[in-house]
Amino acid sequence: EVQLEESGGGLVQPGGSLRLSCAASGFTFSSYEMNWVRQAPGKGLEWVSYISSSGRTIYYADSVKGRFTISRDNAKNSLSLQMNSLRAEDTAVYYCARTGYIQDAFDIWGQGTMATVFS
Amino acid sequence: DIQMTQSPSTLSASVGDRVTITCRASQSISTWLAWYQQKPGKAPKLLIYKASSLESGVPSRFSGSGSGTEFTLTISSLQPDDFAAYYCQQYNSYSRTFGQGTKVEIK
Repeated sequence: EVQLEESGGGLVQPGGSLRLSCAASGFTFSSYEMNWVRQAPGKGLEWVSYISSSGRTIYYADSVKGRFTISRDNAKNSLSLQMNSLRAEDTAVYYCARTGYIQDAFDIWGQGTMATVFS
Repeated sequence: DIQMTQSPSTLSASVGDRVTITCRASQSISTWLAWYQQKPGKAPKLLIYKASSLESGVPSRFSGSGSGTEFTLTISSLQPDDFAAYYCQQYNSYSRTFGQGTKVEIK
């Protein structure tokens, strides 16, 4: 079964750090582009970051640029998001999502992991 | 960045109704548009890609149309399982922005 499973969410104070992980299974992870998308409580979806299949091309939303770092380990079928200098407005459920070959849209999503920044 | 605007924000409808949601882009995105359905506490699910292509396994009552800056998602006959939030997303640029969402409620 094609699956993505996030982990690493939790509670952190403003200015703190969290590292989110996404474990992929059931498909050839190294062949797919990957993304992080977040959703603040009661709000809509916000694209956060993109990484190419090789890891050589990376993009960020302006709201996280300079604070978040996306990376991947194709040998371990794993995607990560290092989040530094966290702010209250970063509080959200964070989803990893696969970019489909044919669709070029996000065809597979994880269940999400909650990151809460509180003072 | 390309801005995506959905309307309406909330829609009240009954089972069997034909429902249409509109998404407008701040600049032309050709047909690089996707639609997602999200139920409370769940991850989004891809319904439509490239503006009008139905994702595998998605019921045929869902359809998409449009190009350039104006797009629609239509549910031909609303079913109980369709009460959810719907989001459009552009992927013309690297910054894959979403619309703000449309909640389809029971009338």
